[in-house]
Amino acid sequence: DIQMTQSPSSLSASVGDRVTITCQASQDISNYLNWYQQKPGKAPKLLIYDASNLETGVPSRFSGSGSGTDFTFTISSLQPEDIATYYCQQYDTPLTFGGGTKVEIK
Amino acid sequence: EVQLVESGGGLVQPGGSLRLSCAASGFTFSSYEMNWVRQAPGKGLEWVSYISSSGSTIYYADSVKGRFTISRDNAKNSLYLQMNSLRAEDTAVYYCARDFLMIVGPDAFDIWGQGTMVTVSS
Repeated sequence: DIQMTQSPSSLSASVGDRVTITCQASQDISNYLNWYQQKPGKAPKLLIYDASNLETGVPSRFSGSGSGTDFTFTISSLQPEDIATYYCQQYDTPLTFGGGTKVEIK
Repeated sequence: EVQLVESGGGLVQPGGSLRLSCAASGFTFSSYEMNWVRQAPGKGLEWVSYISSSGSTIYYADSVKGRFTISRDNAKNSLYLQMNSLRAEDTAVYYCARDFLMIVGPDAFDIWGQGTMVTVSS
Protein backbone atom coordinates (compact mmCIF):
# COMPACT_ATOMS: atom_id res chain seq x y z
CA ASP A 1 0.00 0.00 0.00
CA ILE A 2 1.08 3.59 -0.60
CA GLN A 3 2.07 5.34 2.61
CA MET A 4 1.35 9.04 3.02
CA THR A 5 3.69 10.89 5.37
CA GLN A 6 2.14 14.16 6.43
CA SER A 7 4.05 16.82 8.37
CA PRO A 8 4.00 18.44 10.74
CA SER A 9 1.55 16.53 12.91
CA SER A 10 0.61 19.79 14.59
CA LEU A 11 1.42 23.46 14.31
CA SER A 12 0.62 26.71 16.04
CA ALA A 13 0.48 29.95 14.08
CA SER A 14 -0.84 33.48 14.42
CA VAL A 15 -3.81 34.92 12.59
CA GLY A 16 -2.59 36.20 9.25
CA ASP A 17 0.38 33.81 9.06
CA ARG A 18 1.13 31.68 6.05
CA VAL A 19 0.75 28.01 6.95
CA THR A 20 2.27 25.14 4.96
CA ILE A 21 1.64 21.41 5.34
CA THR A 22 3.48 18.77 3.35
CA CYS A 23 2.53 15.27 2.32
CA GLN A 24 4.95 12.75 0.85
CA ALA A 25 3.85 9.58 -0.90
CA SER A 26 5.91 6.40 -0.73
CA GLN A 27 5.66 6.09 -4.51
CA ASP A 28 4.63 8.18 -7.51
CA ILE A 29 0.91 9.01 -7.37
CA SER A 30 0.87 11.58 -10.20
CA ASN A 31 -1.63 14.22 -9.06
CA TYR A 32 -4.02 11.79 -7.31
CA LEU A 33 -3.93 13.82 -4.12
CA ASN A 34 -6.72 15.56 -2.21
CA TRP A 35 -6.84 17.71 0.92
CA TYR A 36 -9.57 17.82 3.57
CA GLN A 37 -10.36 19.97 6.56
CA GLN A 38 -12.00 18.44 9.63
CA LYS A 39 -13.28 20.51 12.51
CA PRO A 40 -13.88 18.84 15.91
CA GLY A 41 -16.99 16.69 15.95
CA LYS A 42 -17.67 17.30 12.26
CA ALA A 43 -17.25 15.35 9.05
CA PRO A 44 -14.29 16.15 6.81
CA LYS A 45 -14.69 18.73 4.06
CA LEU A 46 -13.02 18.50 0.67
CA LEU A 47 -10.85 21.57 -0.01
CA ILE A 48 -8.46 20.64 -2.81
CA TYR A 49 -8.70 17.81 -5.37
CA ASP A 50 -6.16 16.51 -7.86
CA ALA A 51 -3.37 18.29 -5.99
CA SER A 52 -4.19 21.84 -6.97
CA ASN A 53 -7.87 22.27 -7.84
CA LEU A 54 -9.93 24.31 -5.40
CA GLU A 55 -13.32 22.78 -4.62
CA THR A 56 -16.26 25.06 -5.35
CA GLY A 57 -16.99 27.49 -2.53
CA VAL A 58 -13.64 27.05 -0.79
CA PRO A 59 -11.87 30.35 0.01
CA SER A 60 -8.96 31.24 -2.23
CA ARG A 61 -6.55 31.47 0.72
CA PHE A 62 -6.37 27.67 0.50
CA SER A 63 -4.15 26.19 -2.20
CA GLY A 64 -2.32 23.02 -3.11
CA SER A 65 0.59 22.07 -5.30
CA GLY A 66 2.84 19.18 -6.21
CA SER A 67 2.93 16.00 -8.21
CA GLY A 68 4.62 12.64 -8.10
CA THR A 69 5.58 12.07 -4.46
CA ASP A 70 5.76 15.54 -2.89
CA PHE A 71 2.76 17.75 -2.21
CA THR A 72 2.13 21.00 -0.37
CA PHE A 73 -1.00 22.53 1.12
CA THR A 74 -0.97 26.23 1.98
CA ILE A 75 -3.18 28.63 3.87
CA SER A 76 -1.99 32.04 2.69
CA SER A 77 -3.38 33.98 5.64
CA LEU A 78 -4.57 31.93 8.61
CA GLN A 79 -8.03 32.84 9.91
CA PRO A 80 -9.59 31.86 13.25
CA GLU A 81 -12.14 29.68 11.44
CA ASP A 82 -9.30 27.64 9.90
CA ILE A 83 -8.61 25.90 13.21
CA ALA A 84 -9.01 22.25 12.31
CA THR A 85 -7.17 19.08 11.42
CA TYR A 86 -6.11 18.78 7.79
CA TYR A 87 -5.64 15.48 5.96
CA CYS A 88 -4.06 14.61 2.67
CA GLN A 89 -5.48 11.62 0.80
CA GLN A 90 -4.21 9.74 -2.24
CA TYR A 91 -6.41 7.66 -4.50
CA ASP A 92 -3.96 5.40 -6.25
CA THR A 93 -5.25 1.99 -5.21
CA PRO A 94 -5.85 1.41 -2.39
CA LEU A 95 -6.96 4.82 -1.21
CA THR A 96 -5.14 6.05 1.92
CA PHE A 97 -5.07 9.15 4.11
CA GLY A 98 -2.17 10.94 5.72
CA GLY A 99 -1.97 11.07 9.49
CA GLY A 100 -3.34 14.60 9.77
CA THR A 101 -2.05 18.01 10.83
CA LYS A 102 -3.73 19.80 13.71
CA VAL A 103 -3.64 23.57 13.19
CA GLU A 104 -4.01 25.82 16.22
CA ILE A 105 -3.90 29.56 16.80
CA LYS A 106 -0.89 30.90 18.69
CA GLU B 1 -30.11 20.44 -0.04
CA VAL B 2 -27.61 17.70 -0.81
CA GLN B 3 -27.50 15.46 2.24
CA LEU B 4 -26.35 12.10 3.55
CA VAL B 5 -27.70 10.77 6.84
CA GLU B 6 -26.25 7.65 8.46
CA SER B 7 -28.01 5.44 10.97
CA GLY B 8 -27.67 2.04 12.58
CA GLY B 9 -24.65 2.54 14.80
CA GLY B 10 -24.51 1.35 18.39
CA LEU B 11 -22.87 -0.93 20.90
CA VAL B 12 -22.20 -4.50 19.82
CA GLN B 13 -20.23 -7.35 21.34
CA PRO B 14 -17.07 -8.70 19.67
CA GLY B 15 -18.07 -11.21 17.03
CA GLY B 16 -21.44 -9.55 16.56
CA SER B 17 -23.05 -7.90 13.56
CA LEU B 18 -24.46 -4.51 12.70
CA ARG B 19 -25.97 -2.97 9.58
CA LEU B 20 -25.39 0.68 8.83
CA SER B 21 -27.62 2.70 6.50
CA CYS B 22 -27.05 5.97 4.70
CA ALA B 23 -30.02 7.89 3.28
CA ALA B 24 -29.24 10.24 0.42
CA SER B 25 -31.28 13.26 -0.65
CA GLY B 26 -30.94 16.34 -2.81
CA PHE B 27 -29.09 14.66 -5.68
CA THR B 28 -29.50 11.81 -8.16
CA PHE B 29 -28.18 9.02 -5.95
CA SER B 30 -28.17 6.42 -8.72
CA SER B 31 -25.60 8.46 -10.69
CA TYR B 32 -22.96 8.51 -7.98
CA GLU B 33 -20.40 6.08 -6.66
CA MET B 34 -20.41 5.87 -2.87
CA ASN B 35 -18.05 4.99 -0.05
CA TRP B 36 -17.78 4.25 3.64
CA VAL B 37 -14.96 5.90 5.59
CA ARG B 38 -14.32 5.40 9.31
CA GLN B 39 -12.48 7.21 12.07
CA ALA B 40 -11.49 5.54 15.33
CA PRO B 41 -11.76 7.76 18.42
CA GLY B 42 -8.97 10.33 18.39
CA LYS B 43 -7.45 8.82 15.24
CA GLY B 44 -7.23 9.57 11.54
CA LEU B 45 -9.43 8.63 8.61
CA GLU B 46 -9.57 5.17 7.05
CA TRP B 47 -11.35 4.32 3.80
CA VAL B 48 -13.46 1.18 4.25
CA SER B 49 -15.38 0.37 1.08
CA TYR B 50 -16.54 1.62 -2.34
CA ILE B 51 -19.48 0.77 -4.56
CA SER B 52 -20.07 1.94 -8.12
CA SER B 53 -23.28 3.71 -9.14
CA SER B 54 -24.87 0.49 -10.42
CA GLY B 55 -23.46 -1.67 -7.64
CA SER B 56 -21.52 -3.81 -10.09
CA THR B 57 -18.06 -2.83 -8.84
CA ILE B 58 -17.11 -3.08 -5.18
CA TYR B 59 -13.84 -2.64 -3.31
CA TYR B 60 -12.88 -3.17 0.32
CA ALA B 61 -9.97 -2.24 2.53
CA ASP B 62 -7.95 -5.31 3.52
CA SER B 63 -8.86 -4.67 7.16
CA VAL B 64 -12.55 -5.43 6.51
CA LYS B 65 -12.45 -7.76 3.52
CA GLY B 66 -14.48 -10.91 4.12
CA ARG B 67 -16.31 -9.39 7.11
CA PHE B 68 -18.06 -6.30 5.71
CA THR B 69 -20.44 -6.07 2.75
CA ILE B 70 -21.38 -2.84 1.00
CA SER B 71 -24.60 -2.59 -0.97
CA ARG B 72 -27.04 -0.01 -2.28
CA ASP B 73 -30.69 0.34 -3.25
CA ASN B 74 -30.99 3.07 -5.85
CA ALA B 75 -34.81 2.93 -5.72
CA LYS B 76 -34.61 3.84 -2.04
CA ASN B 77 -31.67 6.27 -2.38
CA SER B 78 -29.85 4.26 0.24
CA LEU B 79 -26.38 2.87 0.91
CA TYR B 80 -25.67 0.07 3.36
CA LEU B 81 -22.78 -1.54 5.19
CA GLN B 82 -23.31 -4.97 6.69
CA MET B 83 -20.64 -5.57 9.30
CA ASN B 84 -20.07 -9.10 10.60
CA SER B 85 -17.50 -10.66 12.92
CA LEU B 86 -16.92 -7.27 14.52
CA ARG B 87 -13.72 -6.63 16.45
CA ALA B 88 -12.70 -4.03 19.01
CA GLU B 89 -10.56 -2.36 16.35
CA ASP B 90 -13.69 -1.70 14.26
CA THR B 91 -14.81 0.82 16.89
CA ALA B 92 -15.15 4.11 15.03
CA VAL B 93 -17.40 6.76 13.62
CA TYR B 94 -18.56 5.51 10.23
CA TYR B 95 -19.21 8.08 7.51
CA CYS B 96 -20.84 7.56 4.16
CA ALA B 97 -19.29 9.77 1.51
CA ARG B 98 -20.12 10.61 -2.09
CA ASP B 99 -17.51 10.04 -4.74
CA PHE B 100 -16.62 13.20 -6.60
CA LEU B 101 -14.49 12.62 -9.67
CA MET B 102 -16.69 10.12 -11.49
CA ILE B 103 -13.88 7.74 -12.35
CA VAL B 104 -14.03 4.05 -11.53
CA GLY B 105 -12.87 3.46 -7.99
CA PRO B 106 -12.78 5.69 -4.91
CA ASP B 107 -11.21 9.07 -5.56
CA ALA B 108 -12.31 12.24 -3.74
CA PHE B 109 -15.23 12.62 -1.37
CA ASP B 110 -17.25 15.82 -1.74
CA ILE B 111 -20.32 15.11 0.38
CA TRP B 112 -20.17 13.41 3.78
CA GLY B 113 -22.79 12.36 6.28
CA GLN B 114 -22.62 13.33 9.94
CA GLY B 115 -21.38 9.87 10.90
CA THR B 116 -22.70 7.09 13.09
CA MET B 117 -20.74 5.65 16.02
CA VAL B 118 -20.04 1.94 16.22
CA THR B 119 -18.63 0.61 19.48
CA VAL B 120 -17.45 -2.98 19.69
CA SER B 121 -17.04 -3.98 23.31
CA SER B 122 -18.09 -6.65 25.77
